[in-house]
Amino acid sequence: DAKTTQPPSMDCAEGRAANLPCNHSTISGNEYVYWYRQIHSQGPQYIIHGLKNNETNEMASLIITEDRKSSTLILPHATLRDTAVYYCIVFSSGSARQLTFGSGTQLTVLP
Amino acid sequence: DTAVSQTPKYLVTQMGNDKSIKCEQNLGHDTMYWYKQDSKKFLKIMFSYNNKELIINETVPNRFSPKSPDKAHLNLHINSLELGDSAVYFCASNRMGGNTEAFFGQGTRLTVV
Repeated sequence: DAKTTQPPSMDCAEGRAANLPCNHSTISGNEYVYWYRQIHSQGPQYIIHGLKNNETNEMASLIITEDRKSSTLILPHATLRDTAVYYCIVFSSGSARQLTFGSGTQLTVLP
Repeated sequence: DTAVSQTPKYLVTQMGNDKSIKCEQNLGHDTMYWYKQDSKKFLKIMFSYNNKELIINETVPNRFSPKSPDKAHLNLHINSLELGDSAVYFCASNRMGGNTEAFFGQGTRLTVV
């Protein structure tokens, strides 16, 4: 599975958009980009995933560059409850599929 | 209804003891996982089972023995507990083959004293 690079921490003002970047320059053609988050002491929570098109759901938007080497997770109106560690993961469906977590980005939403 | 449930949530035990953590999912998934999150907060996969069969064992000591009585359950038994086993253990499940999300349990905080 391809590795990802994320900034270790970011701050965002409450009510503003939070844009979390992720680099995955070695991503292969059949690998998806997944985003999870972990709020303190809880289990990781799925946010969104995509292959090459931009995706949006009730939680967030995912923007994937045309060359697929990087992506951005957008929380359109961050709240205090969005404070968490955000993980960007790339992998493909296969016989030994697993989610490999990196160190993620600690997002702190400030009042 | 809780999708992935683990018991117990907290476990404090002495070195050398044997303990088990249970995990159940009611999502109809065919693949289940155990992850360990240590004090540095890294989430590391330990095991993965698909249809009750082991498919991933990430060089975990053989004191750890997962058991999958059916597709909905993946229990983790730990023998001769050591101080370094103290961590939060997460169970997860998903459906293999489709690019769908994994669901995680709420975690079991194991403290070995």
